[in-house]
Order: sequence, then C-alpha cells, then structure tokens
Amino acid sequence: AQTVTQSQPEMSVQEAETVTLSCTYDTSESDYYLFWYKQPPSRQMILVIRQEAYKQQNATENRFSVNFQKAAKSFSLKISDSQLGDAAMYFCAYRSIGGNQFYFGTGTSLTVIP
Amino acid sequence: DAMVIQNPRYQVTQFGKPVTLSCSQTLNHNVMYWYQQKSSQAPKLLFHYYDKDFNNEADTPDNFQSRRPNTSFCFLDIRSPGLGDAAMYLCATSRDFILEGFFGPGTRLTVL
Repeated sequence: AQTVTQSQPEMSVQEAETVTLSCTYDTSESDYYLFWYKQPPSRQMILVIRQEAYKQQNATENRFSVNFQKAAKSFSLKISDSQLGDAAMYFCAYRSIGGNQFYFGTGTSLTVIP
Repeated sequence: DAMVIQNPRYQVTQFGKPVTLSCSQTLNHNVMYWYQQKSSQAPKLLFHYYDKDFNNEADTPDNFQSRRPNTSFCFLDIRSPGLGDAAMYLCATSRDFILEGFFGPGTRLTVL
C-alpha cells in the first residue's frame, strides 16, 4: 500500500504571511492523483487542491499552490496571505488511477495567529 | 446544494450496545465510503460500495457492517462497540474512482 507522510504535526503562521506544509509519499506507480484536504474543527473535510501526476505544471487555486516534485515524491502546499479561516487540519492524500481509496497522511494542524 | 449528510453528528453509546450511523448524499455518486478517524490519526478506510457491490478492507473488524439500501443512503452498523471504536466516522462519495471524494461532516462516536 502507498504511504503518505506529513512530518509537521503542527504549524503556525502570522495572518497575511505565507506558510508551506510538507508532504511526501511512497509509490511505485507512475500516474496517480495527489490532494490536499482541509478539515476545520468540527466541520467537514473539503478539497483544497489536487494535482494529477502526469501534469508537470503545479496546481494553483487562488491563495493555495503546490510544489509537486515527482522524482522526489514530494507534494507541499503553500498558503499565501494566510487568513484566520485557514486555521484547520490539513491532510495530504494519494489516490491511484482507478484506485478505490485515498491514502491519507496523519495531518498538519495549522494555527493562524492574528 | 449537492452534499453529503451524516446523522447524527454526535452519538453516545454504551459498551456493547449496537449503534447505527447514517449517511445520505444528493450528488448521485455511485461510490460511497466509510472511514474511521481516531484522534490525531489519518482517516482509515473501513469499506466502500461501488454501486451495490460491497468491498470490505481486509483489516476491518467483523464488528463493523454496512448497508446501502439505495444510491443515496449508506449505513454503518457497529454490532458491539468497544472503547477502541470511539472515533470520528466519515462518509465520503465519489463518481467511480476518479478524482476527489466528497466528505460528510462526520459522526463523532463516544463509547461509555
């Protein structure tokens, strides 16, 4: 089974600053999907951004962008101009093409300091 | 709005007393999943339905069962909850196995 590692259990960032959350994964597959999900306290998990492995261009969604390094099996999330509403648990996830499940990392708890 | 709904949001049960958690979706997705998420841990897949086909993960305890009476609804039955079953239970859906899943808000289960 694929493994996803998030080595930062907790991170903090000043409001309006930029923060990068790290994620590495292990796979022997050449094509797959990667995701960052956000889970605010007591609220549902929502998709932040996704990346198809066959795409060389890094995905971007407004203030959220990724640094996808396929050879290094690294998939970090950069949050620019951090806002109080960005405070949440962030999960990195992997999914095979046609795979029946997501493999999640253990999450990074992000605190945004006013 | 299309969404995934879980009821109840909080469930308290006694050790050994059966409990059922429910999930409904308005997305008309053919795949529904149940994940177990313990504190500070990654969500762990228990099982999923692809249409009516039930797929159990190899390490899911027999204590956990599921039912999917129709496309929109899926239930998680815990026959004899133990203290170790206290967790957040997440329901998710997807269209086939493509792209992202849509998650419900979860049901937090407490076992006394």
